[in-house]
Amino acid sequence: SQQGEEDPQALSIQEGENATMNCSYKTSINNLQWYRQNSGRGLVHLILIRSNEREKHSGRLRVTLDTSKKSSSLLITASRAADTASYFCATDVLGNAGNMLTFGGGTRLMVKP
Amino acid sequence: KAGVTQTPRYLIKTRGQQVTLSCSPISGHRSVSWYQQTPGQGLQFLFEYFSETQRNKGNFPGRFSGRQFSNSRSEMNVSTLELGDSALYLCASSLAGVRQETQYFGPGTRLLVL
Repeated sequence: SQQGEEDPQALSIQEGENATMNCSYKTSINNLQWYRQNSGRGLVHLILIRSNEREKHSGRLRVTLDTSKKSSSLLITASRAADTASYFCATDVLGNAGNMLTFGGGTRLMVKP
Repeated sequence: KAGVTQTPRYLIKTRGQQVTLSCSPISGHRSVSWYQQTPGQGLQFLFEYFSETQRNKGNFPGRFSGRQFSNSRSEMNVSTLELGDSALYLCASSLAGVRQETQYFGPGTRLLVL
């Protein structure tokens, strides 16, 4: 079953605009991660935010985490056509042993040149 | 350093057959996880292997199995294929299989069951 639900399911913006994607999850987590996937290929790890962190930056990416609302957001600033992809949040659920991620349904982002 | 490799990249099988997929992790990585991705169910965890032992298993029937070898390479096997097994199968590797650790995904094997 999917732990996270992402919103919106699809997003279309112009190059240079910012893109914001949201993720909600159901149970307590150790950390939350964001991944990008281009056209049904492998996933690329973007950023990991721990449950005791509230905000994290990496280049043009900004991730926030609100554990009280069980939600996270991914902001991509100054988007480029190359950012066109599907973006997934994945949670490492508290209590799970080892490496086991539960993914959301993803947001399909299209950046128009 | 070479990334995670998966073979074959594409596969067509018929119902009732079995299939074996292979994953070679990044050199030095000891944890390998497998995921199934379908349009209907999204990305779902299959299982994780660490040091040749299955450490976690997702909610999949016993037709889905896997193993890991001493060189950390992993295989997954699906027996008695069903149409619903058509999917992209992704494997991911990480260094020590601990929390807060980045997982590196391979390009996937796309399986079509006819």
